[in-house]
Amino acid sequence: SYDLTQPPSVSVSPGQTASITCSGDRLGDKYASWYQQKPGQSPVLVIYQDSKRPSGIPERFSGSNSGNTATLTISGTQAMDEADYYCQAWDSSTGVFGGGTKLTVL
Amino acid sequence: QVQLQESGPGLVKPSQTLSLTCTVSGGSISSGSYFWSWIRQPAGKGLECIGRIYSSGSTNYNPSLKSRVTISLDTSKNQFSLKLTSVTAADTAVYYCARGIVAAGTNSYMDVWGKGTSVTVSS
Repeated sequence: SYDLTQPPSVSVSPGQTASITCSGDRLGDKYASWYQQKPGQSPVLVIYQDSKRPSGIPERFSGSNSGNTATLTISGTQAMDEADYYCQAWDSSTGVFGGGTKLTVL
Repeated sequence: QVQLQESGPGLVKPSQTLSLTCTVSGGSISSGSYFWSWIRQPAGKGLECIGRIYSSGSTNYNPSLKSRVTISLDTSKNQFSLKLTSVTAADTAVYYCARGIVAAGTNSYMDVWGKGTSVTVSS
């Protein structure tokens, strides 16, 4: 089975840049999506097709994907960005999620 | 604005079948531009894709659940459903339905999610 690995936690100071990585075998050959999930809420798509932002997602969210690693970058991180973030890709028509990263803004 | 709403029993006994329905409003489930997915999340844990169905009726299932899962469409009611047989406590989770965008290769992504429904497997 295909695995995606994320760091369990990332901490960032308000106004700074947060980077969350997602690693998988030749992940750069696939497209990665990123989802934000706040406590008690359903996931929200923040990045799709590696680097595209859905309507309504702030410009401070960006993404990249190359080699074995996809990266979600949040520039000028705000307190409201504190959440769990999940990467996701498709392998042989099966959806695979990373284990999730808890982003703490402190 | 399309919305998805999960419904079904919140408690299922071990060895029985878990059945959930996702009602889609604000858009047609028959559109070839989308697929319809089920995802679950045990308390305090990560997300797991269960499977998806296209408007054609074609399905893809997570290999780890494939022997127990059926996803189906009811276009007359604009709903899609999940059946998971022989459940155990390990199937206790919040179950989400989601709409996916059909794209070539691995370009697909899920852009609209329901609020989720909690299912507990216990006698």
